[in-house]
Amino acid sequence: AQSVTQLDSQVPVFEEAPVELRCNYSSSVSVYLFWYVQYPNQGLQLLLKYLSGSTLVKGINGFEAEFNKSQTSFHLRKPSVHISDTAEYFCAVSEKTSYDKVIFGPGTSLSVIP
Amino acid sequence: KAGVTQTPRYLIKTRGQQVTLSCSPISGHRSVSWYQQTPGQGLQFLFEYFSETQRNKGNFPGRFSGRQFSNSRSEMNVSTLELGDSALYLCASSLPSGEVGETQYFGPGTRLLVL
Repeated sequence: AQSVTQLDSQVPVFEEAPVELRCNYSSSVSVYLFWYVQYPNQGLQLLLKYLSGSTLVKGINGFEAEFNKSQTSFHLRKPSVHISDTAEYFCAVSEKTSYDKVIFGPGTSLSVIP
Repeated sequence: KAGVTQTPRYLIKTRGQQVTLSCSPISGHRSVSWYQQTPGQGLQFLFEYFSETQRNKGNFPGRFSGRQFSNSRSEMNVSTLELGDSALYLCASSLPSGEVGETQYFGPGTRLLVL
């Protein structure tokens, strides 16, 4: 069975500072990896995803993530955050043989401080 | 293209009642997935439909059911509501091929409160 761990439930960071949101997963088979963002009172929006190929994935809003198979990690980074990045961030995995059954992590609440 | 729409957006029910939530996917999308989001359990996968067939199911009791129509619209039903069913129910649709790993587009959700 798959599982996703997001070690930090809350991450406060000053505006224009860099941020890293950590994600680790476990699975007995190959997986696809995703990061979603959820703004207050809204649904989820895909930031980026890793399917195959280059382990460094670039997404929307200046975010990027790096897949590390040996450490089973998929950490999300942004070099300079803005107030508008304040939101809940979810890491998720789906097994390559499991149609659209996506398992989400518990989420990390990012608060950008002016 | 219009995004994923969910109706109703808010719903209040009492214990023991049943409820039906509706999801209209993005035009052309054939896969629809449902998720339950609560503060305690986070986001949990309920089930996924593709071309009117349930392809995947999460670990929820039989009180939770769903279906998909020929136009890809989907409904989920919860019977004999319990207080713990209070949650945000999210629907997501994905591209026509239904292949694994395709981007899921989420609706705004239906917030259900069970009293």
